[in-house]
Amino acid sequence: SAVISQKPSRDICQRGTSLTIQCQVDSQVTMMFWYRQQPGQSLTLIATANQGSEATYESGFVIDKFPISRPNLTFSTLTVSNMSPEDSSIYLCSVALGPKGSYEQYFGPGTRLTVT
Amino acid sequence: QKEVEQNSGPLSVPEGAIASLNCTYSDRVSQSFFWYRQYSGKSPELIMSIYSNGDKEDGRFTAQLNKASQYVSLLIRDSQPSDSATYLCAVISNSGYALNFGKGTSLLVTP
Repeated sequence: SAVISQKPSRDICQRGTSLTIQCQVDSQVTMMFWYRQQPGQSLTLIATANQGSEATYESGFVIDKFPISRPNLTFSTLTVSNMSPEDSSIYLCSVALGPKGSYEQYFGPGTRLTVT
Repeated sequence: QKEVEQNSGPLSVPEGAIASLNCTYSDRVSQSFFWYRQYSGKSPELIMSIYSNGDKEDGRFTAQLNKASQYVSLLIRDSQPSDSATYLCAVISNSGYALNFGKGTSLLVTP
């Protein structure tokens, strides 16, 4: 597995502002992912962030709202822009380890965001 | 829409019993299947992965996969109160790399 850290662990933000979440991994990984978990719900994929290419967003998520950076193989950021209370969620990054066809995903501890 | 379905529970079992958690998926080309455990306020923790039909055992956990019937299950033997958590089934289709999660089953192990 890998050691994954996220900053901040939690934040309370005002509507209309933006928050950048950082994800750091202790080893080089090709594939990183960003998920959202709304209160009482399961996880929903926001985007796939591979180093050296643009992030790939899932249906319902757009780059203007959730810009992602992936400057190297150990780090990524997700920005939640122009926040509204509906953005209150836990945001999680994950990394994929292992060969194609049998790799496993491991999650960071998450960032709990509350928008007031 | 590729669906992953789980009974939300709660599933209540007495301490020492076998807990059986089930999951069905709609995408026939799915190739990789995972069970995650999530404690309240924590992130998901990978506990089992399975890629081929049959059983895979790891300690008190056994994952079972039946691709023809499109279901995957998790058995927890000798259940402990510390096993009380939400168990998430996740599937990766052959066409991608990202996890598609079910809504999770809440398990309560009573002393």
